[in-house]
Amino acid sequence: AQKVTQAQTEISVVEKEDVTLDCVYETRDTTYYLFWYKQPPSGELVFLIRRNSFDEQNEISGRYSWNFQKSTSSFNFTITASQVVDSAVYFCALSEVGGTASKLTFGTGTRLQVTL
Amino acid sequence: DAGVIQSPRHEVTEMGQEVTLRCKPISGHDYLFWYRQTMMRGLELLIYFNNNVPIDDSGMPEDRFSAKMPNASFSTLKIQPSEPRDSAVYFCASSFFQATLEAFFGQGTRLTVV
Repeated sequence: AQKVTQAQTEISVVEKEDVTLDCVYETRDTTYYLFWYKQPPSGELVFLIRRNSFDEQNEISGRYSWNFQKSTSSFNFTITASQVVDSAVYFCALSEVGGTASKLTFGTGTRLQVTL
Repeated sequence: DAGVIQSPRHEVTEMGQEVTLRCKPISGHDYLFWYRQTMMRGLELLIYFNNNVPIDDSGMPEDRFSAKMPNASFSTLKIQPSEPRDSAVYFCASSFFQATLEAFFGQGTRLTVV
């Protein structure tokens, strides 16, 4: 069975600090996809990134960066120079690929609070 | 495209009443998912459809829950009879091809059963 663990329940930082959100996953498959979603206070789920299991290249998008390490089954998310607008709950998710079993398993989320 | 549209955004109902949540997926998407979000259990998949056919309903908690997708542009999630423990935010999501691609989520329906 697949599982996603986000051990950090809540993180508080001061604006402009860097912050890393941890994500550890478990899967028996060799082919899978990892995702990060953002849930701002308004409640919707916003897609941030998708990474497949064969691509371990780190990715940077503006102030956001992701570090994927298969050796440790981790897919961590870093926000550089955090801003108040980054305050949200962030979810890491896993999708296995196999027949018709493609569906997202979410972690429990990390609530990020960025203050002035 | 307007994105995934869910209605209503908020629903308050009394225990024992029937509740119907609605979802219009993004046009052209062939996968539709219903998720439930609670403080206790987080985000969990209830059921998903491919080309209007239910593929996996193993996440549906009880027989009180049922979901249909009569056509490619509409799906419902029904709870009958509703109970206070069904209170949650229900999300509908759709994607093209498979969930390996980005799943677009609706804004959710916040259900409160009193």
